[in-house]
Amino acid sequence: EVQLVESGGGLVQPGGSLRLSCAASGFTVSQYEMNWARQTPGKGLEWISYISVSGTTRYYADSVKGRFTISRDNAKNSLYLQMNSLRAEDTAIYYCGRNLFDSWGQGILVTVSS
Amino acid sequence: QSVLTQPPSVSAAPGQKVTIFCSGSSSNIGKNPVSWYQQLPGTAPKLLTYENNKRPSGIPDRFSGSKSGTSAALDITGLQTGDEADYYCGAWDNSLRGVIFGGGTKLTVL
Repeated sequence: EVQLVESGGGLVQPGGSLRLSCAASGFTVSQYEMNWARQTPGKGLEWISYISVSGTTRYYADSVKGRFTISRDNAKNSLYLQMNSLRAEDTAIYYCGRNLFDSWGQGILVTVSS
Repeated sequence: QSVLTQPPSVSAAPGQKVTIFCSGSSSNIGKNPVSWYQQLPGTAPKLLTYENNKRPSGIPDRFSGSKSGTSAALDITGLQTGDEADYYCGAWDNSLRGVIFGGGTKLTVL
């Protein structure tokens, strides 16, 4: 069974950093394109980052470009999102997803507040 | 960030059929396959259809997707109260170089 489990969220002050992890099981992360998306409570979905199968191509939404970095650890079968210079508007539930989100994690809440 | 255009809400009676439309452009739906997702209250989204009209295993055939030009649609037949959820369309956008989602449609089964 394909499963994605996010971790690493929590409360952080504006300007701070967090690293989200997405542990995969039931498939090999290195063989798939992977993405991160987020959802503000009560609002719609926003895609934020993509990494190719090879890992050499990475794309970011304008809202996070230059602040967030997507990466992958094939040995740990995991996907990561390093989030720096966090802002209040980054407060959301963050989801990792396989391919065009054919599988989703359960989501992890990130709250940016002083 | 731009979104695909969906109606904010639709409603229908149990047993009836509803169609949710998703409008895009030549850089997304016009050139790339469309997926549909269901998000039940308090849960993560779940894939309903992919590559325009395919269903993952376990998804009932009451749910069917289609695409024509720069628009897509999700048909839900034999509506059940358990279908009450938010529904999102999604596609890759070649200009933005990222996934683009619709704004979401809240389905109410009256």
